[in-house]
Amino acid sequence: ETGVTQSPTHLIKTRGQQVTLRCSSQSGHNTVSWYQQALGQGPQFIFQYYREEENGRGNFPPRFSGLQFPNYSSELNVNALELDDSALYLCASSRKSLGSTDTQYFGPGTRLTVL
Amino acid sequence: DQQVKQNSPSLSVQEGRISILNCDYTNSMFDYFLWYKKYPAEGPTFLISISSIKDKNEDGRFTVFLNKSAKHLSLHIVPSQPGDSAVYFCAAIGTGGSQGNLIFGKGTKLSVKP
Repeated sequence: ETGVTQSPTHLIKTRGQQVTLRCSSQSGHNTVSWYQQALGQGPQFIFQYYREEENGRGNFPPRFSGLQFPNYSSELNVNALELDDSALYLCASSRKSLGSTDTQYFGPGTRLTVL
Repeated sequence: DQQVKQNSPSLSVQEGRISILNCDYTNSMFDYFLWYKKYPAEGPTFLISISSIKDKNEDGRFTVFLNKSAKHLSLHIVPSQPGDSAVYFCAAIGTGGSQGNLIFGKGTKLSVKP
C-alpha cells in the first residue's frame, strides 16, 4: 500500500457538469501528479504540482485544472464535462529533490463516468 | 504519436517459467525508465527502474534490461508466479513540458497459469 488515497472511488456525472476529485499524498511527499487512464490505454499525464504551483502540464485543455494545498493534498477539477472524459483518474505523489529521480507512487484512482 | 510502445497486449506463461515483457521507445532523450504493475481496481504499483547509465538492474525475481542503441527495454520475471498476473506498464521519464513525469506504454496483460 502506497499511502496515497483518492476520493471518491466512483463518480457518475452528466455532460456539461463540473467535477472535483481529491487526492491525499503519501507522508513526506511534496509533489503530486495527475494522470488520466482511458480504457485499454496507459495513464496519460495531465499536470503536476510542486509546492502548490503547477510544475508541468500535458496535452489537456484548460478546463482541466488543479490545486495543491499546504498539507500537499490535491484536487483535480474538470469543467464542462465531455463523454470522452470518462476514465480512471490517478494521482501519484513523490518527493522531489535535486539530483535524484523521484519515484511516483499511485493512489487507487477515481473512476469517472460521464453520461 | 506514441513515444513508449508495448506491442504485446497480452502474454500467457506457465507458473515457474520465465516471463519476458518488452518495451520500445522512440525518444533518445529519455534517460530513466520504470516498470509498474497494476491489478484491477488498484493504482499502478512501482516494481523496478533503470537509469540509462546502466544496462541491467535486478531486484529479486525481477530484472530489467536496457538496450539504448535499440531503444528497447525488457522486464524478466523468474520464476513466474500466479500472483504476478496483472497488467504491466513500461514508463519513461518525460522531457520538455512533461519533464519529470511519466510517459506510459499501453500495457501488457500477463497471465501466469498454475
